[in-house]
Amino acid sequence: DIVMTQSPDSLAVSLGERATINCKSSQSVLYSSNNKNYLAWYQQKPGQPPKLLIYWASTRESGVPDRFSGSGSGTDFTLTISSLQAEDVAVYYCHQYYDTPMYTFGQGTKLEIK
Amino acid sequence: QVQLQESGPGLVKPSQTLSLTCTVSGGSITTTTYSWSWIRQPAGKGLEWIGRIYTSGGTNYNPSLKSRVTISLDTSKNQFSLNLISVTAADTAMYYCARDGGYYEYWGQGTLVTVSS
Repeated sequence: DIVMTQSPDSLAVSLGERATINCKSSQSVLYSSNNKNYLAWYQQKPGQPPKLLIYWASTRESGVPDRFSGSGSGTDFTLTISSLQAEDVAVYYCHQYYDTPMYTFGQGTKLEIK
Repeated sequence: QVQLQESGPGLVKPSQTLSLTCTVSGGSITTTTYSWSWIRQPAGKGLEWIGRIYTSGGTNYNPSLKSRVTISLDTSKNQFSLNLISVTAADTAMYYCARDGGYYEYWGQGTLVTVSS
């Protein structure tokens, strides 16, 4: 199984500042035939299901604010929130869908306001 | 807009069977572009993929649960279901169903299942 490791486990950022969450996979999730990284990011607020933010490592889901961006390739990925808003307080998960059938998630990163 | 809704008992006794159903609306469950997954989350913990079913009826299961899990499809009702046998307290979790296109674009709201006597 591909192990997804996020860092840090928790993060406190001031409003308006940049937040950066990292995700490392135990093996590459880049599929060479189509040059796509099979990596997604989700946001989960208390009492809600996860919400898809980013897929293919850097494609923003429709309706997601452009302050959210994803980057990286192969085994190292980053979710960046360019200017933190109060409503961004949540737990964020990365997810690999390269290793069919066994998709796996990172352990989550809790983002709070400093 | 695709919507998913989980339903089933919120309390299951140890050693019994957990049975949940996910009803899909706003789209057909028979579309071959997607499969349909169950994912669970113990309170305060991370996400665990349980398994998926394809429109063909084929299934994949998490190896850690494979001996206890069955996922089935009811195309006439646009539903898919989860059965988990021989449950223990470790199976207490929020259970989500989701449309599986690799990434999970649509999720149900989740249903909390507690295993307790």
